[in-house]
Amino acid sequence: DIQMTQSPSSVSASVGDRVTITCRASQGISNWLAWYQQKPGKAPKLLIYAAFTLHSGVPSRFSGSTSGTDFTLTISSLQPEDFATYYCQQANSFPWTFGQGTKVEIK
Amino acid sequence: QVQLQESGPGLVKPSQTLSLTCTVSGGSISSGGYYWTWIRQHPGKGLEWIAYTHYSGTTDYNPSLKSRVTISLDTSKNQFSLKLSSVTAADTAVYYCARVSITIKVVGQWGQGTLVTVSS
Repeated sequence: DIQMTQSPSSVSASVGDRVTITCRASQGISNWLAWYQQKPGKAPKLLIYAAFTLHSGVPSRFSGSTSGTDFTLTISSLQPEDFATYYCQQANSFPWTFGQGTKVEIK
Repeated sequence: QVQLQESGPGLVKPSQTLSLTCTVSGGSISSGGYYWTWIRQHPGKGLEWIAYTHYSGTTDYNPSLKSRVTISLDTSKNQFSLKLSSVTAADTAVYYCARVSITIKVVGQWGQGTLVTVSS
């Protein structure tokens, strides 16, 4: 299985802050990387797929980038509704695997 | 807008078989562009893919669960199902059914999730 190592596991931030979350794949996955947001008691929601492409309806403050096997989710200006847990997912080979999650908390 | 809804027992005894059904509305599971899948989330933990299926018969299972899992489609009812045998407490989790785009292999639609507890 491809391992996805996500960091940090949690981050405390304030409204308006820039937040960056990183996911490292244990082997090459091309751009087969997605990001999801999950709020307590709810199913995850797709934010970004194919490493960079914003899913329909997702605010433009979310963006994705990549450098080799490292992938980054950036929230340019954190909003109150962005406090949640974020997961990366590789879609290169089955079993598709997720990172451990990053909880974005209010500072 | 496609919607998915899980159903099944919330409590299963150890060594028994967990059975869940996902009812799809607003779209057909015979649509060629999607995989139909089950994902689980242990309490307070991350997400684990269990299996996926396609109306053509294509199916794949997570090797860690393959010996105990069966996924199937019922096109007449627009449903798909999961069976997980010989369950233990380690199978206690929220189980999600979901729809995966074949082209980008990400989950675009999720069910709300159902908590299954394995306990005697």
